[in-house]
Amino acid sequence: DQQVKQNSPSLSVQEGRISILNCDYTNSMFDYFLWYKKYPAEGPTFLISISSIKDKNEDGRFTVFLNKSAKHLSLHIVPSQPGDSAVYFCAASGSGNTPLVFGKGTRLSVIA
Amino acid sequence: EAEVAQSPRYKITEKSQAVAFWCDPISGHATLYWYRQILGQGPELLVQFQDESVVDDSQLPKDRFSAERLKGVDSTLKIQPAELGDSAMYLCASSLFRQMNTEAFFGQGTRLTVV
Repeated sequence: DQQVKQNSPSLSVQEGRISILNCDYTNSMFDYFLWYKKYPAEGPTFLISISSIKDKNEDGRFTVFLNKSAKHLSLHIVPSQPGDSAVYFCAASGSGNTPLVFGKGTRLSVIA
Repeated sequence: EAEVAQSPRYKITEKSQAVAFWCDPISGHATLYWYRQILGQGPELLVQFQDESVVDDSQLPKDRFSAERLKGVDSTLKIQPAELGDSAMYLCASSLFRQMNTEAFFGQGTRLTVV
């Protein structure tokens, strides 16, 4: 049973517009959430994270929102750029140095 | 910039042969992970080390996979014998220990193809 779900396999957005990637989780013990970006034939690169004590974290063009009651988080990219085209993975972990659990990823295509 | 080193980048091996992957984590990172990513899926944990000790290998197919981190620094993941279904990207990651919320840093991975 998947504990971290990314229900949209792909997303296509025009350059300059907002990209919104969604993620749902089922394990209420998760308290730390991350987004990773992955290009083909490379390892995932850390993008942004959020602790369960917050509901928003912003870093430049990237903002992550967390809704604990809905067990839902989202990544907003504004404005989207062609270089943002990649697969984005949502990941979660519990406390105590537990390993990250990943979703299946969403492929974002930013069209110029 | 510190990074996780993995080798080889690509490996093609015949079914039933042995294959090994190497990982050198970021200096000072006590926690090391091996993940496997099948195309179209997210990375799945195979094994987690804390220094030289295995703390989670519940998803490691122990009849054919083995992993070690003898001196608590670099690590080797071995498959013997390799099967066609082992074709995947093998990712190594490391993170600082004793931090409640910390990201894991990934290497570039080893793309394994079993023929």
